[in-house]
Amino acid sequence: DTGVSQDPRHKITKRGQNVTFRCDPISEHNRLYWYRQTLGQGPEFLTYFQNEAQLEKSRLLSDRFSAERPKGSFSTLEIQRTEQGDSAMYLCASRRAGTGGNEQYFGPGTRLTVT
Amino acid sequence: AQSVTQPDIHITVSEGASLELRCNYSYGATPYLFWYVQSPGQGLQLLLKYFSGDTLVQGIKGFEAEFKRSQSSFNLRKPSVHWSDAAEYFCAVGASSGNTPLVFGKGTRLSVIA
Repeated sequence: DTGVSQDPRHKITKRGQNVTFRCDPISEHNRLYWYRQTLGQGPEFLTYFQNEAQLEKSRLLSDRFSAERPKGSFSTLEIQRTEQGDSAMYLCASRRAGTGGNEQYFGPGTRLTVT
Repeated sequence: AQSVTQPDIHITVSEGASLELRCNYSYGATPYLFWYVQSPGQGLQLLLKYFSGDTLVQGIKGFEAEFKRSQSSFNLRKPSVHWSDAAEYFCAVGASSGNTPLVFGKGTRLSVIA
């Protein structure tokens, strides 16, 4: 399967712990996006990369959140000192910039539960 | 500011009946419009997209959507719903340049009854 993959699919952690999620985009896609989706809501943008450069960050991305894409391939999203409000589905999407349109292809998501 | 409104939180239809899910958008420039579907606990799958040209676009799984600029709408339709269509449906808008992230509506949950 050559789609977007995310790991882990589920994560349960205690408040105050750090967590890290990984996203592997479709191989020829140079744009990578992170979204957060809470219950009953649509996905909300967090940040995105073009290759290894982080081009935009939402104000939703507090100082406890950091994202990297060191080699322009996979990306990681780290949440430090997790809070119960961080419980959500974290979605990764990718696309190839320069192609027509703006459709993004989503991974299955990582569901985070903070207890 | 960009926004997407999906007025219906939950819709129930009978299997075999027709379906229309509403989507209204607010966007300052030429929008690119999308419909995604999400099954429980899963990521989002692209159903169809509108960039330009014919305002009636066809997608996967027998879905279609019509772009109406005058009404700022992009409603999703299907002539005959199958039980497997039960899911959450999201409308999204993005810039034609492709340089902005997508803005999503809050979704419409579709239930299908026998």
